[in-house]
Amino acid sequence: DGGITQSPKYLFRKEGQNVTLSCEQNLNHDAMYWYRQDPGQGLRLIYYSQIVNDFQKGDIAEGYSVSREKKESFPLTVTSAQKNPTAFYLCASSNAGGAIYEQYFGPGTRLTVT
Amino acid sequence: AQTVTQSQPEMSVQEAETVTLSCTYDTSESDYYLFWYKQPPSRQMILVIRQEAYKQQNATENRFSVNFQKAAKSFSLKISDSQLGDAAMYFCAYRSEWEGGSEKLVFGKGTKLTVNP
Repeated sequence: DGGITQSPKYLFRKEGQNVTLSCEQNLNHDAMYWYRQDPGQGLRLIYYSQIVNDFQKGDIAEGYSVSREKKESFPLTVTSAQKNPTAFYLCASSNAGGAIYEQYFGPGTRLTVT
Repeated sequence: AQTVTQSQPEMSVQEAETVTLSCTYDTSESDYYLFWYKQPPSRQMILVIRQEAYKQQNATENRFSVNFQKAAKSFSLKISDSQLGDAAMYFCAYRSEWEGGSEKLVFGKGTKLTVNP
């Protein structure tokens, strides 16, 4: 079955540690996205990648980094510079260049930093 | 920058009744797309319905339909014959393009829908 996987579902880290969230898709989509969801805030875009080896900052990129070495994978690193890292993180993917295309979402990772 | 506003943080409806969720947006573009996503307690985001701005006809997907008012920049979602499984957070989203022709979704803050038996 095609889809997006995110692992792990729950992640716990100590303050000051970097942590990497995994996102893999087998939909053959060109574009991939990372969103952050906080209570009452909706979804906010962290980073976006349209093609391999290229990515762009979203609205709240500070304290985060990404890589896109393979079409299928778009890992997100939450660095110690992110002041409020505890949140629910959603990865999504879509085709690019079409007239209309939806974003497909993964199941999300709940990150708790203490 | 585009913004999306959902003015109803919470709504409730009786099972089998109809409910309408509101969404307004701000944009200077003439061509764009609008979406409603559903996020049940599992937190999996699911596309409910989409609307192309250039189409005057309102989109419909089974029990879900929209009232798209382009001049008013309004995009409400109507759920008919509400079912217990419709209980979820509903997010309105606007598809914008930025430099390079790539895509960006701007989300509202969501409306929590409760369905009462």
